[in-house]
Amino acid sequence: AQTVTQSQPEMSVQEAETVTLSCTYDTSENNYYLFWYKQPPSRQMILVIRQEAYKQQNATENRFSVNFQKAAKSFSLKISDSQLGDTAMYFCAFTAYGGATNKLIFGTGTLLAVQP
Amino acid sequence: DGGITQSPKYLFRKEGQNVTLSCEQNLNHDAMYWYRQDPGQGLRLIYYSQIVNDFQKGDIAEGYSVSREKKESFPLTVTSAQKNPTAFYLCASSINGLTYNEQFFGPGTRLTVL
Repeated sequence: AQTVTQSQPEMSVQEAETVTLSCTYDTSENNYYLFWYKQPPSRQMILVIRQEAYKQQNATENRFSVNFQKAAKSFSLKISDSQLGDTAMYFCAFTAYGGATNKLIFGTGTLLAVQP
Repeated sequence: DGGITQSPKYLFRKEGQNVTLSCEQNLNHDAMYWYRQDPGQGLRLIYYSQIVNDFQKGDIAEGYSVSREKKESFPLTVTSAQKNPTAFYLCASSINGLTYNEQFFGPGTRLTVL
């Protein structure tokens, strides 16, 4: 069974600074996708970034980038130039590629607070 | 605007009563999903449907039931058999349920059992 672990329940960062959120996962699959979702106080889930396991290049989306270490099964999210609007719960998630369903496995989340 | 709507936003229910949560999408997506979110536990899959008139149990289906009579609708019923129903419920949809397609989420329903 696949599992996703986020070991940082809460983190804090000053505005304009950089912060890294950690995620590790366990799977016997070779082909899969990894995601970071953001859930602001409104509780709307928003996809931040995704990484295909077969791609060696780390994904980036503006101020958001990942450090994907397939052998170590690690998938961290780096937020550069943090903004107050980045305050949210962040979830790491996994789905196997080519499976029978588009099932997402979520971690327990990291609550990020951006301080002015 | 295309999207997913869930109603109501807040729902209160007396212990022992069944309650139905609504989820509607106008994205023309084939697949729809229901997740439950509890503090400190992330999101867990309750039920999913890849096509009309078909659905499968997720990881925590006990005490829940669903129907998929129309492509755009996937209501979730929380029955009295659900031991701890107080939670935040999220509905999602994707183009189809095969391999990876981005899941889009609704705004959620907060259910409180009194």
